[in-house]
Amino acid sequence: DVKVTQSSRYLVKRTGEKVFLECVQDMDHENMFWYRQDPGLGLRLIYFSYDVKMKEKGDIPEGYSVSREKKERFSLILESASTNQTSMYLCASSFPGRNGYTFGSGTRLTVV
Amino acid sequence: GDSVTQMEGPVTLSEEAFLTINCTYTATGYPSLFWYVQYPGEGLQLLLKATKADDKGSNKGFEATYRKETTSFHLEKGSVQVSDSAVYFCALSGSGGGADGLTFGKGTHLIIQP
Repeated sequence: DVKVTQSSRYLVKRTGEKVFLECVQDMDHENMFWYRQDPGLGLRLIYFSYDVKMKEKGDIPEGYSVSREKKERFSLILESASTNQTSMYLCASSFPGRNGYTFGSGTRLTVV
Repeated sequence: GDSVTQMEGPVTLSEEAFLTINCTYTATGYPSLFWYVQYPGEGLQLLLKATKADDKGSNKGFEATYRKETTSFHLEKGSVQVSDSAVYFCALSGSGGGADGLTFGKGTHLIIQP
């Protein structure tokens, strides 16, 4: 069964820590995405990548960076975690075109 | 820019009732349209999609028709079950082919009571 795997379901980190959220897909998809999901705000795109070593800013990139060294792996980095980054983070991948995305199960991050 | 508007709910229905969740969009060009479903504690799953005007997407008893004239993609099901309780997201993929990310509505929380 094809899938997108996020390394952690739940994380608790302290303010100021550097946080890595990992996402791996086994479908050979070119495109990968990071969203955050917050009540009342829906899903908002943080960063996306359409090729290895390529990255593009989404709607809310501030406070985040990403890394894509291999096609199957897309990492989201919180350089210095803050409490307003407490959220559900969702990774997704797709082929180019209008075929829809495959999502991971999400990582619920709490910053204290 | 692109945007998606959907009723936020919660929408509470009895089992076997008819369901409609409204979704309208604003986009340039000819987007593709999607409905995703999120069950408690899980990520989003693609429910159905339509890629051009008048297309009807369907899956698991759910249907939605791409209406360009009204810029709408309403989700319908004739008889809902308790297991349909979830959050439903309408989304569009812009004319860039989706490489720049989906635009989502805020989600509609559906609660089905036995």
